[in-house]
Amino acid sequence: NAGVTQTPKFQVLKTGQSMTLQCAQDMNHNSMYWYRQDPGMGLRLIYYSASEGTTDKGEVPNGYNVSRLNKREFSLRLESAAPSQTSVYFCASRTVWQGPFNEQFFGPGTRLTVL
Amino acid sequence: GQQVMQIPQYQHVQEGEDFTTYCNSSTTLSNIQWYKQRPGGHPVFLIQLVKSGEVKKQKRLTFQFGEAKKNSSLHITATQTTDVGTYFCAGRGSQGNLIFGKGTKLSVKP
Repeated sequence: NAGVTQTPKFQVLKTGQSMTLQCAQDMNHNSMYWYRQDPGMGLRLIYYSASEGTTDKGEVPNGYNVSRLNKREFSLRLESAAPSQTSVYFCASRTVWQGPFNEQFFGPGTRLTVL
Repeated sequence: GQQVMQIPQYQHVQEGEDFTTYCNSSTTLSNIQWYKQRPGGHPVFLIQLVKSGEVKKQKRLTFQFGEAKKNSSLHITATQTTDVGTYFCAGRGSQGNLIFGKGTKLSVKP
């Protein structure tokens, strides 16, 4: 199992350009998440998908859109990139159990710079 | 909204010294999870605590969940250079998502 994979690993954009970050998981997880990580800010939730066919806004959704393409894939789109979106982006997934044990598995991250 | 606060933000220790990071929530938590992120890496799950007053150990790491389920701590005994990284606590928010603390970045001087 590859776990959670993300592409690309690195990206440099110019202000106003658009791009899509791809995420896929092979663990048959129900829920998927997109976070951004900035120095001193921890992990902030951008969007999430509790199950296939649903998406919801997290803490910092402005400037982003998402698509839950199928159970495996969850993409994050920047329509018009801004320097404030320079960050490390992590995708995560977890299964939804009735019990308490439901850790999140993170992908390796995409390091995005917007000039 | 619900917040999870973590202190300290940074901790520099000499190898062999102990280290503790503290996590506090503005509301009662159903459970709390701890993650470790190595420099340049991604967060990796360490443990989950569910019961009031629960204490769990993983080798040199001791995790505690407060009696009121509003705070938690991670204590590392006799730090090693392999302990370097950022430690995050995370509690479940009202929508069911994890709310992460801002993390404690640990550096260990050999």
